[in-house]
Amino acid sequence: NAGVTQTPKFRILKIGQSMTLQCAQDMNHNYMYWYRQDPGMGLKLIYYSVGAGITDKGEVPNGYNVSRSTTEDFPLRLELAAPSQTSVYFCASRLSTGFQPQHFGDGTRLSIL
Amino acid sequence: QQQVKQSPQSLIVQKGGISIINCAYENTAFDYFPWYQQFPGKGPALLIAIRPDVSEKKEGRFTISFNKSAKQFSLHIMDSQPGDSATYFCAASIGTASKLTFGTGTRLQVTL
Repeated sequence: NAGVTQTPKFRILKIGQSMTLQCAQDMNHNYMYWYRQDPGMGLKLIYYSVGAGITDKGEVPNGYNVSRSTTEDFPLRLELAAPSQTSVYFCASRLSTGFQPQHFGDGTRLSIL
Repeated sequence: QQQVKQSPQSLIVQKGGISIINCAYENTAFDYFPWYQQFPGKGPALLIAIRPDVSEKKEGRFTISFNKSAKQFSLHIMDSQPGDSATYFCAASIGTASKLTFGTGTRLQVTL
């Protein structure tokens, strides 16, 4: 099993460009999450999904959009990239039953110049 | 508003020593408290977790101590090894959606 796969691993964007960060999991997890990690700030939740077709905002959703058309995939869209969105982005997934751990991908390092 | 406060920011421990990382939370609705370990270039990985109905949980060299009345919990790493050198995050969540609120992380270095 690959677990949670994030692509690309690195990306440099110009201000105002847009892009989609890809996240796929092969564990048949219903719950999926997007976090951003800034230096010294821990991880903050951007969006999450409890199943295909269901998404909701986290703590820092502004400037981002998500969709969840399948159980496996949970892409994160950046529209009009801004320098404040320079960060490391992590996708995670978990089973929906009980207190299950979140399994994280290895992240996408995004720089906006 | 930071709902989970973590300290220290960095920690240096000699091999064989005990590493202690502390966290405090504000929201009494939190019902799940995991600790994550992160190596450079990798995503966080669950190390150990506890629920508020127990005061301590031990898995190998790793122990969580939980004080519900003080709203504090801590991670103890016994017999610390160089391979434990990583960043550790405490976190907390509420209910079934399990949206994690993370602490700011502790960079642990275990020296020979």
